[in-house]
Amino acid sequence: EDQVTQSPEALRLQEGESSSLNCSYTVSGLRGLFWYRQDPGKGPEFLFTLYSAGEEKEKERLKATLTKKESFLHITAPKPEDSATYLCAVQALYSNSGYALNFGKGTSLLVTP
Amino acid sequence: DSGVTQTPKHLITATGQRVTLRCSPRSGDLSVYWYQQSLDQGLQFLIQYYNGEERAKGNILERFSAQQFPDLHSELNLSSLELGDSALYFCASSVGQVSNQPQHFGDGTRLSIL
Repeated sequence: EDQVTQSPEALRLQEGESSSLNCSYTVSGLRGLFWYRQDPGKGPEFLFTLYSAGEEKEKERLKATLTKKESFLHITAPKPEDSATYLCAVQALYSNSGYALNFGKGTSLLVTP
Repeated sequence: DSGVTQTPKHLITATGQRVTLRCSPRSGDLSVYWYQQSLDQGLQFLIQYYNGEERAKGNILERFSAQQFPDLHSELNLSSLELGDSALYFCASSVGQVSNQPQHFGDGTRLSIL
């Protein structure tokens, strides 16, 4: 069974203090690793898809990387508006050719001024 | 705005009752997914429909059912409600059936069982 583990559970940073969030996964065959951002009271917002080891994607202060066992979300010089819960998920294949996301429990990030 | 619309935003009801949650996917998206989010379990996949057909079933209770209509909107029906069913229910949609397509989420329905 696919498993996704995120660490740390919570992270507090000062504005400008760069850091990384970790997502470890075990899957029978990777069909896509996804990063989402979730603000309180809102649905998850899509950030990145990574498909193969060595792949990297960037968006503003965020950079996602992928190895065969882990993905990292690097946050460079974060701002208070980057505060949110960051969710990692892998795509799971079901018997009737269906797909769904298997999520980790998330990292709650707080960036203080 | 993801383009996925969920109604109602909040629902308060009692144990034993039945409710229906509604989802309109993004324009052009054929797949609809339902997820449940609770504090202790995180986001859990319930069920997927593609162009009106059920394609994947996750941790969905027998008391719960869903369908996708010809206009592609979907409804999640929850019956014989229990206190433990209190959660956020999210709908997501994607273009089709390709594995690396992202799912786009609505803002959810918060269900409270009293």
